[in-house]
Amino acid sequence: QKEVEQNSGPLSVPEGAIASLNCTYSDRVSQSFFWYRQYSGKSPELIMSIYSNGDKEDGRFTAQLNKASQYVSLLIRDSQPSDSATYLCAVDDYGGATNKLIFGTGTLLAVQP
Amino acid sequence: DAGVIQSPRHEVTEMGQEVTLRCKPISGHDYLFWYRQTMMRGLELLIYFNNNVPIDDSGMPEDRFSAKMPNASFSTLKIQPSEPRDSAVYFCASRSMGQGFAFFGQGTRLTVV
Repeated sequence: QKEVEQNSGPLSVPEGAIASLNCTYSDRVSQSFFWYRQYSGKSPELIMSIYSNGDKEDGRFTAQLNKASQYVSLLIRDSQPSDSATYLCAVDDYGGATNKLIFGTGTLLAVQP
Repeated sequence: DAGVIQSPRHEVTEMGQEVTLRCKPISGHDYLFWYRQTMMRGLELLIYFNNNVPIDDSGMPEDRFSAKMPNASFSTLKIQPSEPRDSAVYFCASRSMGQGFAFFGQGTRLTVV
């Protein structure tokens, strides 16, 4: 089983600040990386995908990928209380014969008004 | 499309009983995943199917768990006999070939007493 690791948090940031969420993965052949947001009692929903080294921006969200360091991060600018949720990092075990989508345990983000 | 549909949303059963969870994936999707989510272990991949064929069931905890996908629009996850430690939220997710990310159903919250 390939591993995806995240700090469980909680990560507490004030409203308007930048929240930085981090994820490391163990499988060097992984090709696809995703960030899901999960509100309490709800199902995970995709917010960002990234496939190449570097940054990818979408509104207030920026995903960063460094395959050499096996590291993925998510930055949330101008954090809002509505961003309070658990953020799950997911890695596609795509390199071999399998196409498993493996998740980290998630980081709980709390944005303080 | 209505998205991934799971039933029931909640299930309470007594230890030793058989439990069947159901999932209808998004039409046209080639992959179907079953996950289990607990506070302690996060989102664990139990089994996944490609074109109705089970590809990897290494995450199935033990022989009490079984999963089937008789056709492209329906899958079941069965636990027999159920035990209190099976209490968790079970998610079904689906995706299409090459898409990478998966769409989740609303989940089934299982409580075994």
